[in-house]
Amino acid sequence: DADVTQTPRNRITKTGKRIMLECSQTKGHDRMYWYRQDPGLGLRLIYYSFDVKDINKGEISDGYSVSRQAQAKFSLSLESAIPNQTALYFCATSDLQRAGTDTQYFGPGTRLTVL
Amino acid sequence: DAKTTQPPSMDCAEGRAANLPCNHSTISGNEYVYWYRQIHSQGPQYIIHGLKNNETNEMASLIITEDRKSSTLILPHATLRDTAVYYCIVRQTGTASKLTFGTGTRLQVTL
Repeated sequence: DADVTQTPRNRITKTGKRIMLECSQTKGHDRMYWYRQDPGLGLRLIYYSFDVKDINKGEISDGYSVSRQAQAKFSLSLESAIPNQTALYFCATSDLQRAGTDTQYFGPGTRLTVL
Repeated sequence: DAKTTQPPSMDCAEGRAANLPCNHSTISGNEYVYWYRQIHSQGPQYIIHGLKNNETNEMASLIITEDRKSSTLILPHATLRDTAVYYCIVRQTGTASKLTFGTGTRLQVTL
């Protein structure tokens, strides 16, 4: 979805380096998410944020941190990258609808390789 | 969130309807059925969702059985660009919950 952008799209780095992945959205959504996807596996939630002052851990937050700089921006950091963090990373956004549903819309992904 | 079961793969001829089944026999009353697809390694794309009534949008139709224990996603005229992995997800309303992607159904559309 072009309304959700991720930078960089591809990144190769070395073990121990600090890496930041950025996500921006123009959908005006309050909720933002970071997922990772490993080959042959489904997506796993790393962190999510309901608004600028709200940050929550997902199922695999160890080794990651996030920053919600503004409603439209949500960054994921790997403080000291390790090889098993090699994966596809996706950002998603959503907004709570009146019916109580919130459909998530995904960015194009960042392919991260840690050597 | 309820667990879902989908066939691992399906084939469909281009121009024909693709009917993708999903079993969610443990679904509860406040859980919606969502469908997403992922083309190669692109970001998952939202298709459609529903609670108990059949739903249709510009991409697809969603048929949910009366007992809500299963559903079918219908792509009315499949094209080669519909080749993707399709995920059926059951999710509670009003929660911050993650989307739990299973292994999905790999749909191959052929000439």
